[in-house]
Amino acid sequence: NAGVTQTPKFRVLKTGQSMTLLCAQDMNHEYMYWYRQDPGMGLRLIHYSVGEGTTAKGEVPDGYNVSRLKKQNFLLGLESAAPSQTSVYFCASSSGRTQYFGPGTRLLVL
Amino acid sequence: AQSVTQPDIHITVSEGASLELRCNYSYGATPYLFWYVQSPGQGLQLLLKYFSGDTLVQGIKGFEAEFKRSQSSFNLRKPSVHWSDAAEYFCAVGAHTNAGKSTFGDGTTLTVKP
Repeated sequence: NAGVTQTPKFRVLKTGQSMTLLCAQDMNHEYMYWYRQDPGMGLRLIHYSVGEGTTAKGEVPDGYNVSRLKKQNFLLGLESAAPSQTSVYFCASSSGRTQYFGPGTRLLVL
Repeated sequence: AQSVTQPDIHITVSEGASLELRCNYSYGATPYLFWYVQSPGQGLQLLLKYFSGDTLVQGIKGFEAEFKRSQSSFNLRKPSVHWSDAAEYFCAVGAHTNAGKSTFGDGTTLTVKP
């Protein structure tokens, strides 16, 4: 049972480049989330999804887009990366109560 | 809107001493409450959670937390700290009708002295 997995684990981008982070869950959860974590701060919600084909903005959505074409996958895209997007990104899934987190993706934007 | 405050940014305790990490929340109804632990470079591990019922909840690794509605608090405790408990601890509040979203505190870093 893999739970929540994230790909890639680490990435370095140059300013202006684009990339997609992939989150997959095998728990048949309806809800999925993308958070970012910066030093000295807790997790902040970027976008979330309440079901296949739906997405909604969280606390810090600017500069990111998401898609949930399949129930088990939730993609986070950066169209034009900026140094301010250097962070650790966590994906989570939930059936509505407890969130289960992936291991994180470390992103460095130069 | 829901919010969480962890008043202590950094706490240092001696190994074997007791520990209490503070968490205060703001939410209009009975919240879901969580404590997570994060070791350096790792993901978040759920220590314990409160949904309803008994206000004293037991978690993994010998941790417990008590929900006090009158104080809007959910403090984490451990009677005897081990060196391996050194990590960052996050309190989070969720909601029944908010798509399961959680709001996190800024975390408390625990250092354990030998």
